[in-house]
Amino acid sequence: DIVLTQSPVLAVSLGQRATISCRASQSVSISSINLMHWYQQKPGQQPKLLIYRASNLASGIPARFSGSGSGTDFTLTIDPVQADDIAAYYCQQSRESPRTFGGGTKLELK
Amino acid sequence: EVQLVESGGGLVQPGRSLKLSCAASGFTFSNYYMAWVRQAPKKGLEWVATISTSGSRTYYPDSVKGRFTISRDNAKSSLYLQMNSLKSEDTATYYCARPEGGYDYFDYWGQGVMVTVSS
Repeated sequence: DIVLTQSPVLAVSLGQRATISCRASQSVSISSINLMHWYQQKPGQQPKLLIYRASNLASGIPARFSGSGSGTDFTLTIDPVQADDIAAYYCQQSRESPRTFGGGTKLELK
Repeated sequence: EVQLVESGGGLVQPGRSLKLSCAASGFTFSNYYMAWVRQAPKKGLEWVATISTSGSRTYYPDSVKGRFTISRDNAKSSLYLQMNSLKSEDTATYYCARPEGGYDYFDYWGQGVMVTVSS
């Protein structure tokens, strides 16, 4: 199985940039298509798709969210961080079955 | 508007069975693969099952293979998860989710239904 590793917690100040990383145990890219996706989950709510295929913004998601990376290293950036962005963030790969998720990064206020 | 509404959760004893349902609306259900994803309390997300548009192909991780069965009724725009031989580690919120196209990211999620396996 492809293991996705995220830092458990990231503390940021409002208005600053948050950079959330996700490292895969093996490449999740196929012929320049990066099969890594990002979700936001607020307490008591279902996950919401933010970014698909590493860098594509999902419908209705604000432009302060962006994604980058390829191969095994991927990043979700929030700039600037707003109060509404305090949540958990998960990466997910679809390169191989089983589909796997990272353990999640909880974004907290400094 | 795409809507996915799960039902059927509850408290069940270890070794027993439970069947979850997901009612879909707002899109042509028969055109999409569908999936279940779960989340144990205070834990991360785990993919549980995926089914093809016709229902002829199903996919599971090893953790549930042979115990869980995903199915669908396209006439009713409904998705199901039959869970047998339940274990305490199956305790989780179960989400119905729609995988998008060939890239298999989940673009819509239901609100989730809680399943508690305990004696």
